[in-house]
Amino acid sequence: DARVTQTPRHKVTEMGQEVTMRCQPILGHNTVFWYRQTMMQGLELLAYFRNRAPLDDSGMPKDRFSAEMPDATLATLKIQPSEPRDSAVYFCASGSEYSPLHFGNGTRLTVT
Amino acid sequence: SQQGEEDPQALSIQEGENATMNCSYKTSINNLQWYRQNSGRGLVHLILIRSNEREKHSGRLRVTLDTSKKSSSLLITASRAADTASYFCATDEETGANNLFFGTGTRLTVIP
Repeated sequence: DARVTQTPRHKVTEMGQEVTMRCQPILGHNTVFWYRQTMMQGLELLAYFRNRAPLDDSGMPKDRFSAEMPDATLATLKIQPSEPRDSAVYFCASGSEYSPLHFGNGTRLTVT
Repeated sequence: SQQGEEDPQALSIQEGENATMNCSYKTSINNLQWYRQNSGRGLVHLILIRSNEREKHSGRLRVTLDTSKKSSSLLITASRAADTASYFCATDEETGANNLFFGTGTRLTVIP
């Protein structure tokens, strides 16, 4: 059963440190999304790739966040420097025009 | 960007009863999707209804869409304790961007 894999599952770090979250999309999917989920804001779209090209990252704070797809099997979301307000669960999802979104189980980030 | 809003925010019912959740959105859409999220996990796609469809069924799920009112409802019949989860609607706007915007979710608790 194909699935989206996210690592790490949990990350605790101190304010100011760099955080890198990784996602392996499902083979054959050509769209990748990064979402952030908090109790207050719900699910927020951070970035969106199609065929590895970034199409929309308007939801992402550009000064500290960056999203890349170095190849079709890996998407990364980096935060540098991290801040306590970045604490959230970060989800990666992949899909295609023939498939709805498949979500990973998320990275729970805590910045102290 | 628009975001759907689910209603109610929380719903508690007895096993065997039906559960109805509603979703309202703001702009024209290509389709509307419902997802389910168990605690600590990613979202799982349940059902998709296109803008030219009015009703769709999948097992114990029934979804309706009223584009004139910009609203949708998800009915779960004969609920089970295992249906306890958060349910989200997501809209694919008619902009061609294929972004999915999620609502705030309904937390459903089914009491055995």
